[in-house]
Amino acid sequence: QSVLTQPPSASGTPGQRVTISCSGSSSNIGDNTVNWYQQLPGTAPKLLIYSNNQRPSGVPDRFSGSKSGTSASLAISGLQSEDEADYYCAAWDDSLNDGYVFGPGTKVTVL
Amino acid sequence: QVQLVESGGGLVRPGGSLRLSCAASGFSIGHYFMSWIRQTPGKGLEWISYINNRGSVVYYTDSVKGRFTISRDNAKNSLFLQMSGLRPEDTAVYFCASQRKSPDAFDIWGQGTMVTVVS
Repeated sequence: QSVLTQPPSASGTPGQRVTISCSGSSSNIGDNTVNWYQQLPGTAPKLLIYSNNQRPSGVPDRFSGSKSGTSASLAISGLQSEDEADYYCAAWDDSLNDGYVFGPGTKVTVL
Repeated sequence: QVQLVESGGGLVRPGGSLRLSCAASGFSIGHYFMSWIRQTPGKGLEWISYINNRGSVVYYTDSVKGRFTISRDNAKNSLFLQMSGLRPEDTAVYFCASQRKSPDAFDIWGQGTMVTVVS
């Protein structure tokens, strides 16, 4: 059972905006920055957003991240077919057992 | 080209050992934290361990403490994971990842190496 909570699935038609939520607690999202990863089928994860809202070079500006309190969200604007993938949020957790925690992932389907 | 390449995975019996390697090219790992992350087939991601740039600080997730050891050889631009006392639940694809953008963001990932623990 993940420390971070994400919806198992999300979907939209091409061009739509899709938002994925990530809920945590004061020991992880509340106290640390959130990162998002995209995993296309059969490939390694790719860093999509770091430090809550920063995009690595090469990531389209259709992807944006935000954080408020103990929750974060990833928004995909202008959804494209190539955005069909699994999306994971992650953060450091300062609880008794320090470590990075990932959300369970959200499967985005482009209808 | 910046990349990480894992090796050393395979089939092993419960209680056995394996040593995973991760070779970096296109950048020097000596400046950065590095981590191992695994993914159970069809399931999500689980961070296992990280090591700071000098190898003086390491962290492990509870399920591998005392069984896995992370290490690095900056001169050889390589990261390692020594795994012992392997269990069926350790079966997964193991990824190495660099933390160049920030200490808690995995910015470069290898392609992964499969570890299967079965009797």
